[in-house]
Amino acid sequence: AQRVTQPEKLLSVFKGAPVELKCNYSYSGSPELFWYVQYSRQRLQLLLRHISRESIKGFTADLNKGETSFHLKKPFAQEEDSAMYYCALARGNQGGKLIFGQGTELSVKP
Amino acid sequence: DVKVTQSSRYLVKRTGEKVFLECVQDMDHENMFWYRQDPGLGLRLIYFSYDVKMKEKGDIPEGYSVSREKKERFSLILESASTNQTSMYLCASNRRTSNYGYTFGSGTRLTVV
Repeated sequence: AQRVTQPEKLLSVFKGAPVELKCNYSYSGSPELFWYVQYSRQRLQLLLRHISRESIKGFTADLNKGETSFHLKKPFAQEEDSAMYYCALARGNQGGKLIFGQGTELSVKP
Repeated sequence: DVKVTQSSRYLVKRTGEKVFLECVQDMDHENMFWYRQDPGLGLRLIYFSYDVKMKEKGDIPEGYSVSREKKERFSLILESASTNQTSMYLCASNRRTSNYGYTFGSGTRLTVV
């Protein structure tokens, strides 16, 4: 079954500390994975996608097929990074439908 | 600025009422989606439409129906609202040929009392 798991409901770090938000997936084919972010009182928006291999707002995510993981990392957290983060998996050949994880709330303290 | 607009930010309805949630996008996107967002459960797909008058059930379609009479508008209908449908409802859209990047609406928080 296709599934996305984010094991942490809440992650709390201090400003300047490294951050890693965990995402594990279950998918038999070649996965396409994404991170979405929702800041307070804003709409959910795409943060990054693994096929682009990009760094957005200092965040990176590497697809590890051996560990079926797509963890989101940032070396030095900022207070403005506080938000809800969702990992998502594209259901191949199903017209664009995404499976979302449960979400992790990141709180960056001053 | 491209947009997905959900007609109501907050709604309070009574059990048994028929409820309509409206979503309009101005990007000429083929695909439109309705998700519900609940703490600890993430986003769960209710229904999906890939063209006018075309729809597919998502993971939790029970108690819901949808309508897509025009390309830009996708409506979610709760035939007889129940308290377990109290939730945040998110509409999203994307282009069929895109790499799955969604544009989301700002959400409708529905409370059924």
